[in-house]
Amino acid sequence: GENVEQHPSTLSVQEGDSAVIKCTYSDSASNYFPWYKQELGKRPQLIIDIRSNVGEKKDQRIAVTLNKTAKHFSLHITETQPEDSAVYFCAALNTGTASKLTFGTGTRLQVTL
Amino acid sequence: NAGVTQTPKFRVLKTGQSMTLLCAQDMNHEYMYWYRQDPGMGLRLIHYSVGEGTTAKGEVPDGYNVSRLKKQNFLLGLESAAPSQTSVYFCASSTPGTSGRAVEQFFGPGTRLTVL
Repeated sequence: GENVEQHPSTLSVQEGDSAVIKCTYSDSASNYFPWYKQELGKRPQLIIDIRSNVGEKKDQRIAVTLNKTAKHFSLHITETQPEDSAVYFCAALNTGTASKLTFGTGTRLQVTL
Repeated sequence: NAGVTQTPKFRVLKTGQSMTLLCAQDMNHEYMYWYRQDPGMGLRLIHYSVGEGTTAKGEVPDGYNVSRLKKQNFLLGLESAAPSQTSVYFCASSTPGTSGRAVEQFFGPGTRLTVL
């Protein structure tokens, strides 16, 4: 089955700096890669996603890049703000297999003033 | 439109007791999922369903059973709870991932279960 590895497990940045979280996946058939943000005590919520036919996608301060050959994808947050502090999860999915998501183990991002 | 809801929000069980967690969605989604979330381990899929009357095992199914008698509901049962099942349980739902259609999974608020 799919295996997703995520790094780093914790990340501390100063407000205004950029943050980068990286994930690798094992199944070359995976074709959809979402990123979820989970605030303390809350449910995971989708913040951005990318499909395998696209190399990069951007939404305001958030961007995701995908390298299919190397089987890795990354989340980039620019101009970080205190409200970006949360746990971020990457995931991979093969839309041909009942849409089962395999999650990474999460990155705790702390944005300090 | 409530989205995905879960009951109960919190529960404390003694070892050996049984309970059922209820997930309901009003988005007419075909697919539903149960995950458990443990510190440092992300979300792991317990069981899932691709439609009414169908269920399948996920990554960590042992000790759990599920049923999908109605399209909008997905029940997770613990027949004989163990301390290792102490966790936060999330339900999610989505549409099938066919070409051009979104596959976003929408999560419920979670159930915090403690087994003593």
